[in-house]
Amino acid sequence: ELKVEQNPLFLSMQEGKNYTIYCNYSTTSDRLYWYRQDPGKSLESLFVLLSNGAVKQEGRLMASLDTKARLSTLHITAAVHDLSATYFCAVIVFNFNKFYFGSGTKLNVKP
Amino acid sequence: DTGVSQDPRHKITKRGQNVTFRCDPISEHNRLYWYRQTLGQGPEFLTYFQNEAQLEKSRLLSDRFSAERPKGSFSTLEIQRTEQGDSAMYLCASSETGSNTEAFFGQGTRLTVV
Repeated sequence: ELKVEQNPLFLSMQEGKNYTIYCNYSTTSDRLYWYRQDPGKSLESLFVLLSNGAVKQEGRLMASLDTKARLSTLHITAAVHDLSATYFCAVIVFNFNKFYFGSGTKLNVKP
Repeated sequence: DTGVSQDPRHKITKRGQNVTFRCDPISEHNRLYWYRQTLGQGPEFLTYFQNEAQLEKSRLLSDRFSAERPKGSFSTLEIQRTEQGDSAMYLCASSETGSNTEAFFGQGTRLTVV
């Protein structure tokens, strides 16, 4: 079964700092998703990465995908408190039609 | 359309009771998923529908769990004889058919079994 691992699981950082969250997965896939979840809320779609080398940016967040390394990164630039949430990556295996989620990275940005 | 809708948002039930949750997907989406999320974990796949056909069920879905999507629109998830271990957030998601699709999640139903 496909395994999706995120690290770190917890991240506490100061506003204005940069950091990267990593997502590794165990089998071939060319579709990777990043979601944000606020406490007690559902998942909000952030990025959909559909090919090797894909890079997408939205505000202070940038996501990339390296399918050969089976690795995606979510880079945070000049963090602000509003980014505090749990971030999940999810992988879908071609033809299997279901998403495998990582355990999440709980981000706390201190003002 | 305001997105994926789930009802109820919260449910507290006594052990041994049956519960049923409803999910209304985005109207043009023909794929519908159920996931379960426990505290501090990522969502775990339970089952998946393409229109009204249930195409896959996780081994997590014991005989006490049943899901339906009778007309290919809304779906229900029933848990019979609930156990404390069933306490979790139950998330529904929907998507279009296609290889580049993304899934949109509902607000979830939080189940507490006491």
